[in-house]
Amino acid sequence: GIQVEQSPPDLILQEGANSTLRCNFSDSVNNLQWFHQNPWGQLINLFYIPSGTKQNGRLSATTVATERYSLLYISSSQTTDSGVYFCAARSGTYKYIFGTGTRLKVLA
Amino acid sequence: DGGITQSPKYLFRKEGQNVTLSCEQNLNHDAMYWYRQDPGQGLRLIYYSQIVNDFQKGDIAEGYSVSREKKESFPLTVTSAQKNPTAFYLCASSHRRNAGANVLTFGAGSRLTVL
Repeated sequence: GIQVEQSPPDLILQEGANSTLRCNFSDSVNNLQWFHQNPWGQLINLFYIPSGTKQNGRLSATTVATERYSLLYISSSQTTDSGVYFCAARSGTYKYIFGTGTRLKVLA
Repeated sequence: DGGITQSPKYLFRKEGQNVTLSCEQNLNHDAMYWYRQDPGQGLRLIYYSQIVNDFQKGDIAEGYSVSREKKESFPLTVTSAQKNPTAFYLCASSHRRNAGANVLTFGAGSRLTVL
């Protein structure tokens, strides 16, 4: 089945800094999503982005399906951005496969 | 508001007991999923269901059972056969594969601790 890898595994930033999180997947996908897991464990959908580029405020994401990767950009980071960021990919079935996540800590 | 409700939020059980986690959605989604998350780890798929009265094993189904008698409901039973049941359990749902943007939506989770 499809494999999903995320990098870096951990990231520490000073407030106001920018960052890029990467998600590589091993096969073509028909669905790719980015999630933020808050300190209470809730997974919040950030982007549905099987291809192309989207922006939502300080966050944006780009998926290059032909090269099998997706990037999540966080600009002007805030302490509330802290948490774990997951990407999840689906290829041809109902199974979504999650990466192991990037743990982000933003320092004030 | 539409969403997914999981209950209970916290659950303690003794070894050897079965426990059932509830998941209800009012999003009119066809597909429902159960994931397990261990501390510091990613999410692993336990079971998923595409339609009523049908479900498939995920990657770690041993020691778990599910039912899908109604479109809105997908309860998960953690049986005594599950060797390490202490974990955070997340339920999710989505539309059918070809129905537009199939966004996977999650409930708030149930944290199970075996004493």
